[in-house]
Amino acid sequence: SQELEQSPQSLIVQEGKNLTINCTSSKTLYGLYWYKQKYGEGLIFLMMLQKGGEEKSHEKITAKLDEKKQQSSLHITASQPSHAGIYLCGADIAGSARQLTFGSGTQLTVLP
Amino acid sequence: DARVTQTPRHKVTEMGQEVTMRCQPILGHNTVFWYRQTMMQGLELLAYFRNRAPLDDSGMPKDRFSAEMPDATLATLKIQPSEPRDSAVYFCASGLVLGGLNTGELFFGEGSRLTVL
Repeated sequence: SQELEQSPQSLIVQEGKNLTINCTSSKTLYGLYWYKQKYGEGLIFLMMLQKGGEEKSHEKITAKLDEKKQQSSLHITASQPSHAGIYLCGADIAGSARQLTFGSGTQLTVLP
Repeated sequence: DARVTQTPRHKVTEMGQEVTMRCQPILGHNTVFWYRQTMMQGLELLAYFRNRAPLDDSGMPKDRFSAEMPDATLATLKIQPSEPRDSAVYFCASGLVLGGLNTGELFFGEGSRLTVL
């Protein structure tokens, strides 16, 4: 979706390295969802953020929604091969009648 | 363990045939989404239902696609006639909207992988 821009499109990191994925919207985000997908499988929910400045963590993954609620970042600390997959941000964007629009995804490869 | 169930998981068919995909949303959820995922386009919203009423199906080719919710436990996506360009993975997702706001996680099914020859 052009309403949500994800960067980078792909990322290759060495195991143990930290990384950040960004999700940017030109409109206010009322709810921002991060999902992980492995090829050929469904989407696994990671986190949901709704309030500006909100930050949530689950194991080694942290997501934050900026104060203006137009950008979110997903940060993985000390990456592991199990973190590999496609990370998708989905958002409830202002004016979208509560649909969830998704970014194009970031393909993460973690080298052992 | 609540989950969204989709059938079939895989479907191979010939061009021109009718294809019906089914989804059982999580009991109690009032919103259902149909998405299509391809390598080129990513995840595209096809249709969106709330309380069984279609709110938006602008992402769906109207001439061949139709989406319905005959009851709260079943959502269907039909393609007639199917074309090779319809080959994709089709996902159904359900969630709960209260007071106009999504309340939390949108649960996705495992997807239906469609191949049209």
